[in-house]
Amino acid sequence: LAKTTQPISMDSYEGQEVNITCSHNNIATNDYITWYQQFPSQGPRFIIQGYKTKVTNEVASLFIPADRKSSTLSLPRVSLSDTAVYYCLVITFGNEKLTFGTGTRLTIIP
Amino acid sequence: KAGVTQTPRYLIKTRGQQVTLSCSPISGHRSVSWYQQTPGQGLQFLFEYFSETQRNKGNFPGRFSGRQFSNSRSEMNVSTLELGDSALYLCASSLKRDTYEQYFGPGTRLTVT
Repeated sequence: LAKTTQPISMDSYEGQEVNITCSHNNIATNDYITWYQQFPSQGPRFIIQGYKTKVTNEVASLFIPADRKSSTLSLPRVSLSDTAVYYCLVITFGNEKLTFGTGTRLTIIP
Repeated sequence: KAGVTQTPRYLIKTRGQQVTLSCSPISGHRSVSWYQQTPGQGLQFLFEYFSETQRNKGNFPGRFSGRQFSNSRSEMNVSTLELGDSALYLCASSLKRDTYEQYFGPGTRLTVT
């Protein structure tokens, strides 16, 4: 599985857009990029998944450049409830063995 | 639809004992995976079950085992507990194997003293 590198922590003010970047230099052709969110004392929650270019759902966007060696999770207009740890994962399709990176601890400041 | 449930939520055991944790997946989900989360090692994959068969296994000693029943419910067992086994044990289910989207339960917090 490809190894991911993320910033350890980030702070942002309420109402701002937050971008969390993940590096995955050795991503393989069949790999997909996924992001999970985890609150204290809870299991991770799936946010978004993508393969290339841009993917958007009701809570986030995922930007993936053409070389796919990095990706950016974008959270629009964050609120205090977005304070959590965000994990970037690269998954080989068909491999259910999720290997989480160290994650980014996002703190939203009122 | 009910989410993934795990029982018990909290557990305290003594070194050398064994423990069994239970996971009930979302109705209709056939794949169940287990993970261990600790502050030092983060989230680590233990094993995955699908149709009552173990399909994938992480790098954990044989003291960690699991099984899946015909109703997709799963149990994991840890024998001869060590202090280092103290962790949050998470169960995740998915509808099928070829998916990146897993739904996690709240976890079982195991403390070994």
